[in-house]
Amino acid sequence: ETGVTQTPRHLVMGMTNKKSLKCEQHLGHNAMYWYKQSAKKPLELMFVYNFKEQTENNSVPSRFSPECPNSSHLFLHLHTLQPEDSALYLCASSQAVVATGELFFGEGSRLTVL
Amino acid sequence: AQTVTQSQPEMSVQEAETVTLSCTYDTSESDYYLFWYKQPPSRQMILVIRQEAYKQQNATENRFSVNFQKAAKSFSLKISDSQLGDAAMYFCAYRSAGAQKLVFGQGTRLTINP
Repeated sequence: ETGVTQTPRHLVMGMTNKKSLKCEQHLGHNAMYWYKQSAKKPLELMFVYNFKEQTENNSVPSRFSPECPNSSHLFLHLHTLQPEDSALYLCASSQAVVATGELFFGEGSRLTVL
Repeated sequence: AQTVTQSQPEMSVQEAETVTLSCTYDTSESDYYLFWYKQPPSRQMILVIRQEAYKQQNATENRFSVNFQKAAKSFSLKISDSQLGDAAMYFCAYRSAGAQKLVFGQGTRLTINP
């Protein structure tokens, strides 16, 4: 398997649930990202990890909790979400030492909060 | 802060025709990169074309080319000989040199009419 893989592809959860999104990259990259894609809005960067260390948190509410156990895996733990958190969550990876700066994206996890 | 604006929420073109998608950006920096990404329906976002700000020559990738106007802070994408497979959301993105963060525009949905 190659590229960036995200699971689950679709997730429906209630506001009191706890769930997690998973991302795995097979590209040998050392930087990973979470982006939020809402309808008719630009992609919003949420978190950046370089070599497993979080280097950017774009003022994301604490109900979103990222975890990066190694350079190949990234999780987004979700708890007590709000309906406005419904969106497509995209994971991406790149080389941390940016040259061209190209990001490689997964297909996304479509989250619906009821 | 840098911003990216795509003023065309939707565009359509006849198959085999040429279409141009607009993008403007705002930055005070002189060294940066610009990108066009394509997001087909329910599929992952992929890089279409990239432009380094220090290069005066416009980037070209097969049927895709850009018109980079640095002074005007404009970065349009031209798709020649449009094909049905070109139907997608297209995102313009900006990255400062030495930074990891990609700033995206709102996207343009391109429809190809057979």
